[in-house]
Amino acid sequence: DAGVIQSPRHEVTEMGQEVTLRCKPISGHNSLFWYRQTMMRGLELLIYFNNNVPIDDSGMPEDRFSAKMPNASFSTLKIQPSEPRDSAVYFCASSLARDQPQHFGDGTRLSIL
Amino acid sequence: AQSVSQHNHHVILSEAASLELGCNYSYGGTVNLFWYVQYPGQHLQLLLKYFSGDPLVKGIKGFEAEFIKSKFSFNLRKPSVQWSDTAEYFCAVNANAGNMLTFGGGTRLMVKP
Repeated sequence: DAGVIQSPRHEVTEMGQEVTLRCKPISGHNSLFWYRQTMMRGLELLIYFNNNVPIDDSGMPEDRFSAKMPNASFSTLKIQPSEPRDSAVYFCASSLARDQPQHFGDGTRLSIL
Repeated sequence: AQSVSQHNHHVILSEAASLELGCNYSYGGTVNLFWYVQYPGQHLQLLLKYFSGDPLVKGIKGFEAEFIKSKFSFNLRKPSVQWSDTAEYFCAVNANAGNMLTFGGGTRLMVKP
């Protein structure tokens, strides 16, 4: 049973560049979550989708961040333009429903120089 | 709104010591409770969960947690820790069926060999 798959595992890029993070949730899971984890802020929920529809994006830090879920098996988180303070580990998680246990991907470690 | 507090941000123990990590939540109604573990460089993994029934829940790797409704607590315990338990531990709560999980700030556990 494949878990949540995220790509890339690591991304290093210069500030100002566009960054796209990808996530494939577990098949059959209706809810998808994007989190950001840093030493300073801990684990932060950025956005949550239910049945491919964004339900709560109040955690998205600013307009430079956007997320899409064009179908049940794929989601992207995009940062444009990127800044050094965006450096973090970004996790995608999915669950059968929003109140059920979440299964996390391995994360994308993003470094903006 | 539901909130979760983990008062111990950092805990250092020697091997074979007993562990108790605190988790308190703020909501007076029905709750589902979870503990996740994040080993260094890895993603969050579900350790144990409580939905209903016996308030003493046993999870993987010898961990257990006790739901005390009167204290709004769901503390994590292990009688004898090992060096391999070094990780960050997150408590999560969702209040009322259908609500998203709210994560606590995490507790970093370091076990000295």
